[in-house]
Amino acid sequence: AQSVTQLGSHVSVSEGALVLLRCNYSSSVPPYLFWYVQYPNQGLQLLLKYTSAATLVKGINGFEAEFKKSETSFHLTKPSAHMSDAAEYFCAVSEWGTSKIIFGSGTRLSIRP
Amino acid sequence: DTGVSQNPRHKITKRGQNVTFRCDPISEHNRLYWYRQTLGQGPEFLTYFQNEAQLEKSRLLSDRFSAERPKGSFSTLEIQRTEQGDSAMYLCASVGHPNEQFFGPGTRLTVL
Repeated sequence: AQSVTQLGSHVSVSEGALVLLRCNYSSSVPPYLFWYVQYPNQGLQLLLKYTSAATLVKGINGFEAEFKKSETSFHLTKPSAHMSDAAEYFCAVSEWGTSKIIFGSGTRLSIRP
Repeated sequence: DTGVSQNPRHKITKRGQNVTFRCDPISEHNRLYWYRQTLGQGPEFLTYFQNEAQLEKSRLLSDRFSAERPKGSFSTLEIQRTEQGDSAMYLCASVGHPNEQFFGPGTRLTVL
């Protein structure tokens, strides 16, 4: 069964520092992978998605993620954190041929001034 | 704004009452999902429609829950005889290509 594991329920970085949010997936077939962001009391917004094209995927707001099949990972990074990046981030997976998405438990990102 | 709307945004009800939520997806999308999200957790799949057909239901969806999508347009999720454990954010997603889900703002349910 497909699943994702997000390492670290809470990550805190200083403004201007590198952001690294970790996600490992489990899937028996090549997956689609997603990162979503959720601000308080709002729905989820897609940051980026991997659909088997380039392994390095660029998203909105300066975020990017790299698909590493050998490590079954899809970590999210941003070179320089901004205060407005503080939110909950969810990694998610779906398999080819289905639109059903399985979400991780989320990582709350805090930004220190 | 993703183009997916949900109403109401907030609902407070007493235990035992029935509630109904509505989702209006992006018009050209024929697939629609419902999720439930409790505090500190990721969304969990509840059910899925392709056009008007309900194709899959999660074990989370007890007999008190029912969902419809008449004519393959908007969808409703009804919870009968609400319980305090039903308190959560209920999210609707409209599915485009390739498997990209556009989420509505959600309906936050509080059962007193």
